[in-house]
Amino acid sequence: DAKTTQPTSMDCAEGRAANLPCNHSTISGNEYVYWYRQIHSQGPQYIIHGLKNNETNEMASLIITEDRKSSTLILPHATLRDTAVYYCIVRTSGTYKYIFGTGTRLKVLA
Amino acid sequence: EAEVAQSPRYKITEKSQAVAFWCDPISGHATLYWYRQILGQGPELLVQFQDESVVDDSQLPKDRFSAERLKGVDSTLKIQPAELGDSAMYLCASSLQWGDSYEQYFGPGTRLTVT
Repeated sequence: DAKTTQPTSMDCAEGRAANLPCNHSTISGNEYVYWYRQIHSQGPQYIIHGLKNNETNEMASLIITEDRKSSTLILPHATLRDTAVYYCIVRTSGTYKYIFGTGTRLKVLA
Repeated sequence: EAEVAQSPRYKITEKSQAVAFWCDPISGHATLYWYRQILGQGPELLVQFQDESVVDDSQLPKDRFSAERLKGVDSTLKIQPAELGDSAMYLCASSLQWGDSYEQYFGPGTRLTVT
Protein backbone atom coordinates (compact mmCIF):
# COMPACT_ATOMS: atom_id res chain seq x y z
CA ASP A 1 0.00 0.00 0.00
CA ALA A 2 1.34 3.40 -0.95
CA LYS A 3 2.22 5.51 2.08
CA THR A 4 2.15 9.26 2.46
CA THR A 5 4.47 11.62 4.30
CA GLN A 6 3.25 14.96 5.61
CA PRO A 7 4.73 17.61 7.89
CA THR A 8 3.51 17.25 11.46
CA SER A 9 2.34 20.84 11.78
CA MET A 10 2.13 24.16 9.93
CA ASP A 11 1.01 27.70 10.70
CA CYS A 12 -0.65 30.09 8.27
CA ALA A 13 -1.76 33.70 8.63
CA GLU A 14 -5.46 34.37 8.21
CA GLY A 15 -6.29 35.52 4.68
CA ARG A 16 -3.14 34.02 3.18
CA ALA A 17 -2.93 30.87 1.08
CA ALA A 18 -2.18 27.67 2.97
CA ASN A 19 -0.06 25.19 1.01
CA LEU A 20 0.02 21.71 2.50
CA PRO A 21 2.53 19.30 0.94
CA CYS A 22 2.34 15.52 0.73
CA ASN A 23 4.84 12.96 -0.52
CA HIS A 24 3.61 9.67 -1.98
CA SER A 25 6.62 8.35 -3.87
CA THR A 26 5.36 4.73 -4.08
CA ILE A 27 2.00 5.61 -5.62
CA SER A 28 0.82 3.35 -8.44
CA GLY A 29 -0.47 4.64 -11.75
CA ASN A 30 -4.15 4.02 -10.99
CA GLU A 31 -4.23 5.15 -7.35
CA TYR A 32 -6.07 8.34 -6.45
CA VAL A 33 -4.88 11.00 -4.00
CA TYR A 34 -7.53 12.13 -1.52
CA TRP A 35 -7.50 14.95 1.00
CA TYR A 36 -9.64 15.12 4.13
CA ARG A 37 -9.60 17.35 7.17
CA GLN A 38 -10.74 16.77 10.71
CA ILE A 39 -11.76 19.56 13.00
CA HIS A 40 -11.44 18.72 16.69
CA SER A 41 -13.86 15.98 17.84
CA GLN A 42 -15.68 15.79 14.49
CA GLY A 43 -15.63 13.20 11.72
CA PRO A 44 -13.24 13.74 8.80
CA GLN A 45 -14.55 16.00 6.06
CA TYR A 46 -13.90 15.31 2.38
CA ILE A 47 -12.02 18.11 0.60
CA ILE A 48 -10.88 17.01 -2.85
CA HIS A 49 -9.33 14.16 -4.81
CA GLY A 50 -7.44 13.63 -8.06
CA LEU A 51 -5.59 11.12 -10.20
CA LYS A 52 -3.26 12.96 -12.57
CA ASN A 53 -4.65 16.39 -13.38
CA ASN A 54 -4.86 19.36 -11.07
CA GLU A 55 -8.28 19.76 -9.51
CA THR A 56 -10.20 22.70 -8.02
CA ASN A 57 -13.47 22.95 -6.15
CA GLU A 58 -15.14 25.47 -3.88
CA MET A 59 -12.95 24.47 -0.93
CA ALA A 60 -9.47 23.99 -2.33
CA SER A 61 -7.11 23.21 -5.20
CA LEU A 62 -5.06 20.05 -5.58
CA ILE A 63 -1.78 20.20 -7.48
CA ILE A 64 -0.24 16.82 -8.40
CA THR A 65 3.29 16.72 -9.81
CA GLU A 66 3.80 15.21 -13.23
CA ASP A 67 5.53 12.13 -11.82
CA ARG A 68 2.68 11.86 -9.24
CA LYS A 69 5.12 11.35 -6.40
CA SER A 70 3.91 14.39 -4.50
CA SER A 71 0.97 16.75 -4.26
CA THR A 72 -0.01 20.03 -2.62
CA LEU A 73 -3.36 21.04 -1.20
CA ILE A 74 -3.98 24.77 -1.49
CA LEU A 75 -6.52 26.65 0.63
CA PRO A 76 -6.54 29.99 -1.23
CA HIS A 77 -7.65 32.29 1.60
CA ALA A 78 -7.30 30.56 4.96
CA THR A 79 -9.71 31.47 7.76
CA LEU A 80 -9.66 30.59 11.45
CA ARG A 81 -12.25 27.88 10.72
CA ASP A 82 -9.69 26.08 8.54
CA THR A 83 -7.69 25.16 11.65
CA ALA A 84 -7.75 21.35 11.58
CA VAL A 85 -5.74 18.18 10.95
CA TYR A 86 -5.36 17.59 7.21
CA TYR A 87 -4.91 14.04 5.91
CA CYS A 88 -3.40 13.14 2.55
CA ILE A 89 -4.43 9.62 1.53
CA VAL A 90 -3.51 7.39 -1.37
CA ARG A 91 -6.44 5.12 -2.02
CA THR A 92 -5.23 1.56 -2.56
CA SER A 93 -6.14 0.08 -5.92
CA GLY A 94 -8.30 -3.01 -5.88
CA THR A 95 -9.53 -2.73 -2.29
CA TYR A 96 -10.13 1.06 -2.50
CA LYS A 97 -9.14 1.40 1.15
CA TYR A 98 -8.07 4.63 2.82
CA ILE A 99 -4.87 4.33 4.85
CA PHE A 100 -4.76 7.36 7.12
CA GLY A 101 -1.47 8.65 8.50
CA THR A 102 -1.17 11.16 11.33
CA GLY A 103 -1.77 14.15 9.04
CA THR A 104 -0.66 17.81 9.23
CA ARG A 105 -2.01 19.95 12.03
CA LEU A 106 -2.72 23.35 10.42
CA LYS A 107 -3.16 26.33 12.68
CA VAL A 108 -4.51 29.52 11.10
CA LEU A 109 -3.35 32.56 13.04
CA ALA A 110 -5.31 35.80 13.40
CA GLU B 1 -27.37 18.40 2.91
CA ALA B 2 -27.62 14.65 3.62
CA GLU B 3 -25.43 13.37 6.46
CA VAL B 4 -24.31 10.12 8.02
CA ALA B 5 -26.03 9.65 11.37
CA GLN B 6 -24.47 7.87 14.34
CA SER B 7 -25.69 7.10 17.83
CA PRO B 8 -24.93 7.38 20.61
CA ARG B 9 -22.47 10.28 20.39
CA TYR B 10 -20.87 9.32 23.70
CA LYS B 11 -20.78 6.03 25.58
CA ILE B 12 -19.17 5.11 28.88
CA THR B 13 -19.08 1.44 29.77
CA GLU B 14 -17.28 -0.81 32.19
CA LYS B 15 -14.81 -3.39 30.94
CA SER B 16 -16.31 -6.79 30.20
CA GLN B 17 -19.65 -5.21 29.31
CA ALA B 18 -21.22 -5.29 25.84
CA VAL B 19 -21.62 -2.10 23.81
CA ALA B 20 -23.21 -1.36 20.44
CA PHE B 21 -23.03 1.54 18.01
CA TRP B 22 -25.49 2.38 15.27
CA CYS B 23 -24.93 4.05 11.89
CA ASP B 24 -27.38 5.28 9.27
CA PRO B 25 -25.58 6.12 6.01
CA ILE B 26 -26.59 8.72 3.44
CA SER B 27 -29.65 7.50 1.55
CA GLY B 28 -28.71 5.53 -1.55
CA HIS B 29 -25.13 4.88 -0.49
CA ALA B 30 -24.24 1.26 -1.15
CA THR B 31 -20.91 1.17 0.67
CA LEU B 32 -20.53 1.56 4.43
CA TYR B 33 -17.35 1.66 6.52
CA TRP B 34 -16.57 1.45 10.24
CA TYR B 35 -13.34 3.03 11.49
CA ARG B 36 -11.66 3.28 14.89
CA GLN B 37 -9.65 6.36 15.78
CA ILE B 38 -7.37 6.37 18.79
CA LEU B 39 -6.54 9.80 20.18
CA GLY B 40 -3.71 11.44 18.23
CA GLN B 41 -3.85 8.98 15.34
CA GLY B 42 -5.66 8.79 12.02
CA PRO B 43 -8.74 6.58 11.58
CA GLU B 44 -8.16 2.86 11.00
CA LEU B 45 -10.59 0.82 8.90
CA LEU B 46 -12.29 -2.00 10.80
CA VAL B 47 -14.87 -3.28 8.32
CA GLN B 48 -16.31 -2.39 4.93
CA PHE B 49 -19.72 -3.39 3.52
CA GLN B 50 -21.00 -3.33 -0.03
CA ASP B 51 -24.79 -3.46 0.40
CA GLU B 52 -25.27 -6.22 3.01
CA SER B 53 -22.04 -8.09 2.22
CA VAL B 54 -18.73 -7.71 4.02
CA VAL B 55 -16.01 -6.67 1.55
CA ASP B 56 -13.13 -6.38 4.00
CA ASP B 57 -12.99 -7.18 7.72
CA SER B 58 -9.31 -8.05 7.89
CA GLN B 59 -8.65 -5.46 10.64
CA LEU B 60 -11.71 -6.33 12.75
CA PRO B 61 -10.79 -8.15 16.03
CA LYS B 62 -13.30 -10.90 15.48
CA ASP B 63 -12.96 -12.45 18.91
CA ARG B 64 -14.81 -9.48 20.42
CA PHE B 65 -16.05 -7.26 17.58
CA SER B 66 -18.93 -7.94 15.21
CA ALA B 67 -20.63 -5.85 12.54
CA GLU B 68 -23.77 -6.33 10.54
CA ARG B 69 -25.76 -4.55 7.86
CA LEU B 70 -28.71 -6.89 7.48
CA LYS B 71 -30.84 -5.00 4.96
CA GLY B 72 -28.02 -3.15 3.29
CA VAL B 73 -28.99 0.16 4.85
CA ASP B 74 -28.13 0.90 8.49
CA SER B 75 -25.44 -0.93 10.40
CA THR B 76 -24.50 -1.95 13.93
CA LEU B 77 -21.01 -2.45 15.37
CA LYS B 78 -20.82 -4.46 18.60
CA ILE B 79 -18.05 -5.06 21.10
CA GLN B 80 -18.38 -7.88 23.62
CA PRO B 81 -16.67 -7.85 26.02
CA ALA B 82 -15.25 -4.33 26.02
CA GLU B 83 -11.64 -3.87 27.12
CA LEU B 84 -9.83 -0.76 28.36
CA GLY B 85 -7.91 -0.56 25.05
CA ASP B 86 -11.14 -0.17 23.12
CA SER B 87 -11.50 3.41 24.32
CA ALA B 88 -11.53 5.41 21.08
CA MET B 89 -13.72 7.28 18.59
CA TYR B 90 -15.74 4.95 16.34
CA LEU B 91 -16.52 6.52 12.99
CA CYS B 92 -18.96 5.42 10.33
CA ALA B 93 -18.65 6.52 6.71
CA SER B 94 -20.55 5.85 3.51
CA SER B 95 -19.99 6.27 -0.20
CA LEU B 96 -22.24 5.99 -3.22
CA GLN B 97 -20.45 2.93 -4.54
CA TRP B 98 -17.33 0.87 -3.98
CA GLY B 99 -14.66 2.16 -6.33
CA ASP B 100 -11.66 4.36 -6.94
CA SER B 101 -13.26 7.75 -7.35
CA TYR B 102 -16.13 7.65 -4.87
CA GLU B 103 -15.42 9.80 -1.85
CA GLN B 104 -16.45 8.75 1.64
CA TYR B 105 -18.64 10.87 3.90
CA PHE B 106 -18.10 10.51 7.62
CA GLY B 107 -20.52 10.75 10.50
CA PRO B 108 -19.80 12.63 13.76
CA GLY B 109 -18.56 9.49 15.51
CA THR B 110 -19.23 7.76 18.82
CA ARG B 111 -16.68 8.40 21.55
CA LEU B 112 -16.32 5.28 23.70
CA THR B 113 -14.74 5.32 27.14
CA VAL B 114 -14.16 1.97 28.84
CA THR B 115 -13.57 2.13 32.59
